[in-house]
This record gives sequence, structure tokens and C-alpha cells, in this order.
Amino acid sequence: QVQLQESGPGLVKPSETLSLTCTVSGGSISSYYWSWIRQPPGKGLEWIGYIYYSGSTNYNPSLKSRVTISVDTSKNQFSLKLSSVTAADTAVYYCARVMDGGYVVGYYMDVWGKGTTVTVSS
Amino acid sequence: DIQMTQSPSSLSASVGDRVTITCRASQSISSYLNWYQQKPGKAPKLLIYAASSLQSGVPSRFSGSGSGTDFTLTISSLQPEDFATYYCQQSYSTLRRLTFGPGTKVDIK
Repeated sequence: QVQLQESGPGLVKPSETLSLTCTVSGGSISSYYWSWIRQPPGKGLEWIGYIYYSGSTNYNPSLKSRVTISVDTSKNQFSLKLSSVTAADTAVYYCARVMDGGYVVGYYMDVWGKGTTVTVSS
Repeated sequence: DIQMTQSPSSLSASVGDRVTITCRASQSISSYLNWYQQKPGKAPKLLIYAASSLQSGVPSRFSGSGSGTDFTLTISSLQPEDFATYYCQQSYSTLRRLTFGPGTKVDIK
């Protein structure tokens, strides 16, 4: 079955850009939406944004000015870049597959990666 | 933007108890409401989508109901493995932005 694996630096300096990649295995990245979600220590889940395999994106308005999500179908990967990070961006970052259930069902995230911890500190 | 609230924020229950968690949207979201379970140190797991559809492989003791602004997740008979935090998530907005509720932690009484 489809599995997702996040990868990237675990430590990022303030004001720099956080970069993470999610590798999709066991299935094709095509024909789906793919999302990033984060969870600060001891807090709830925050949706960051998602991308369709064709490249169209949708971002959380609160992060939109700093976020870029891209996709590489040849590598079955999608990526997250978050610029100008601060300590508030310290979190576990998850990638997930977004199912488009259509007009009646809406969107839901049915496959998740295990998550990767990113700490913002000098 | 649509805001989600959950109640209670936490609850204590015993194995075998019937547990009900409520999620409320700041405006009508039809049935575009999903429920996730998260255990400590683990990724969230989809339980219910479209308010009442049980995700494949999820035990039938979990059920969801509601539409519009008020939704409920019910665990009919709480099992030891159900102690976790539960999140609702909406996908109604015309811009298809996703929003999570703040979560409800279920722990052992």
C-alpha cells in the first residue's frame, strides 16, 4: 500500500528556509492531492497546504506568504519550503495524501507519513 | 475562514464506557467533516470521513454523525487502545482550505 516518508534537516536557523521532502512509495503520486501538516510541541494540528500532482496549490492563509509546495512526479516526491522561520515554526511536520471525495464527500487525508521533527534554533 | 471548536477539550473515561465528542463549525459545512485519532508520538489516523463514513479497517465501535454545524464522534465501548487525542477537520470552504479542530484528549479514569 502507499507509504509516505518525510525527510530533511532536523535543525534550521532562524530567518532561514525550512525545506522538507515527502517520498511516496507503493503507488503513484499522480491523480492525487498531497498535503503538509504540522504540529508544534504539545499543540494541535495545523494544515499548511496541499498540491495536486499537476502542480496547482492551496495554502493556509496564515502561512501563504512564506510557503511553497512543489511536486516532482518523476521522483514521486513533493516538497515544502517555509521561509523566514522563527522558533514558532518548531514542530513535527507530516505529509499526507488528500483524497478528493467529490462534491458530496469533500477532502480527507487517508495516508500519513510518520512525521519529522524540525527545530528552529541558532 | 471557518473555525472549528471541539468539546470537551479532554475527558476521562473507563474501558467499556460510551464516549461522545462534539465538533462545531462556525458556519454550515454540510457533511464535509472528518475525524482523526492521534496517539502520542504517532501520526494521525483517519477514522471517519464525510461525517459518518467509516474508513476501511476502523473498528465499528467508532461512528460519526451530524451535518451543518454540529457533529459527533461516538465510541460505543471504549477499548484500551482508544485512549488518544481526537481531531475533527473540515473541508467545506469554497476555497477548499482545510481546518482542524483543537482536539479532544481521551484518557483513562
